[in-house]
Amino acid sequence: GAVVSQHPSRVICKSGTSVKIECRSLDFQATTMFWYRQFPKKSLMLMATSNEGSKATYEQGVEKDKFLINHASLTLSTLTVTSAHPEDSSFYICSAEGRGNNEQFFGPGTRLTVL
Amino acid sequence: AQKVTQAQTEISVVEKEDVTLDCVYETRDTTYYLFWYKQPPSGELVFLIRRNSFDEQNEISGRYSWNFQKSTSSFNFTITASQVVDSAVYFCALSDFSNDYKLSFGAGTTVTVRA
Repeated sequence: GAVVSQHPSRVICKSGTSVKIECRSLDFQATTMFWYRQFPKKSLMLMATSNEGSKATYEQGVEKDKFLINHASLTLSTLTVTSAHPEDSSFYICSAEGRGNNEQFFGPGTRLTVL
Repeated sequence: AQKVTQAQTEISVVEKEDVTLDCVYETRDTTYYLFWYKQPPSGELVFLIRRNSFDEQNEISGRYSWNFQKSTSSFNFTITASQVVDSAVYFCALSDFSNDYKLSFGAGTTVTVRA
C-alpha cells in the first residue's frame, strides 16, 4: 500500500512553455501533499505544502506565480511550472500524507529539462 | 538554521566492508520523528526507517541497523557487509512540531560500494 505516482517521469520543454506535473496517491486519500525540488547532488528542498481544497502554502523564496500548485482532490495534486526557463530545470518530487499520519510517501520524481 | 547535519559528503568502501553514516539533528521539541531514506541513481526515494523521539531502542533490519542516541542528538545508520547495490545517496530527515511536522532533510551522504 501507500503508493504515490508522478507523471510524467521525464519532460523536456522549450523555454517559455508551461509544464504540468501530476502527483497521485493510488491507494489512499492524501489530505496533504508536498512538492520538493532537488538540484543535482543536493538535498531535497521543500517548495510548498498543499491541502485538499485549499491554497498551497509556499516556503520562503519560492515564487507562487511561477510554481502553481493545485490539490483538487484527495488523490491528485498538480504542479505547473509556468513560463519555464533553463534555471527551472531540476528534479521535482512529490509526497503524500494520509489523514493524521505524519508519514510521507514519496513519488518517483519528475526530471524537468528546459532548453 | 540547519536542523539535520550529515557531515560525511561521500564515503567509498569495498564490498563486504561495514559503513556507518552519521546524522546529527537539532530540535527543541520533545516529540519528533527521525527518518532515513535511500536514493539510488534512479532518483526514487526509498523509505528505510522512521523512529519517534520516545523510542530510543536501536533497530536492526537485515544488514541495516540504526543507533539512536538522544543524549548526543544523533541517529546513525550502519550498513553491514556492504554490497554494490547499496551504492546510493542516503538522507537523514527530521520532522518536528515546531516545523508543523514537515520534513527537514540533511545534505545527504553518497555511498559508493566498489566490487
